[in-house]
Amino acid sequence: EIVLTQSPGTLSLSPGERATLSCRASQSVTSSYLAWYQQKPGQAPRLLIYDASSRATGIPDRFSGSGSGTDFTLTITRLEPEDFAVYYCQQYGNSQWTFGQGTKVEIK
Amino acid sequence: EVQLLESGGGLVQPGRSLRLSCAASGFSFSNYGMSWVRQAPGKGLEWVSGIGRSGGRTYYGDSVKGRFTISRDNSKDTLDLQMNSLRADDTAVYYCVRNRGGGNFDYWGQGTLVTVSS
Repeated sequence: EIVLTQSPGTLSLSPGERATLSCRASQSVTSSYLAWYQQKPGQAPRLLIYDASSRATGIPDRFSGSGSGTDFTLTITRLEPEDFAVYYCQQYGNSQWTFGQGTKVEIK
Repeated sequence: EVQLLESGGGLVQPGRSLRLSCAASGFSFSNYGMSWVRQAPGKGLEWVSGIGRSGGRTYYGDSVKGRFTISRDNSKDTLDLQMNSLRADDTAVYYCVRNRGGGNFDYWGQGTLVTVSS
């Protein structure tokens, strides 16, 4: 099973700042199968990025994904108030899906 | 509009069974794989089980293998999860999710809470 480790656990930033979230895999992940989700309190997660770098429908262009192999990054260029949430990376391989433990982006 | 509506959650004693259902609408259900993802209170996301478009292929996470069974009825646009031998660590919100096709999940239901406790 591929283990995804996200860092940092918590990111304290101010609106307008840039957020950089990391997701590291225990073994190489097919880029086509790496996704990012956003979850706000009391809500279901929402798909942000798929195929490591493609934005899902309706996702603003301040969200971007990059990376390959074992290292992937989610970048939010200018944090808006609605972006403060928990973010999860997720991969698929060998008929198994796994999630990272999440990064919380909180208001500083 | 794509909608996924879960039902069947509730309080159940350890060792007992529970069946979750998900009613899908707004898309061609038989064209998509489906999965269940759960989230324990205050914790992260855990993929539980997945099923192919026809129902012929099923997949399970290690923590539920042998205890849970996923199934679907493409004539009724429904997805089910039969959960047997429930344990306290199965307590979670269970989400019904649509597999986008690239190994990720593009639509999520609002979830149904399962609490396993005596």
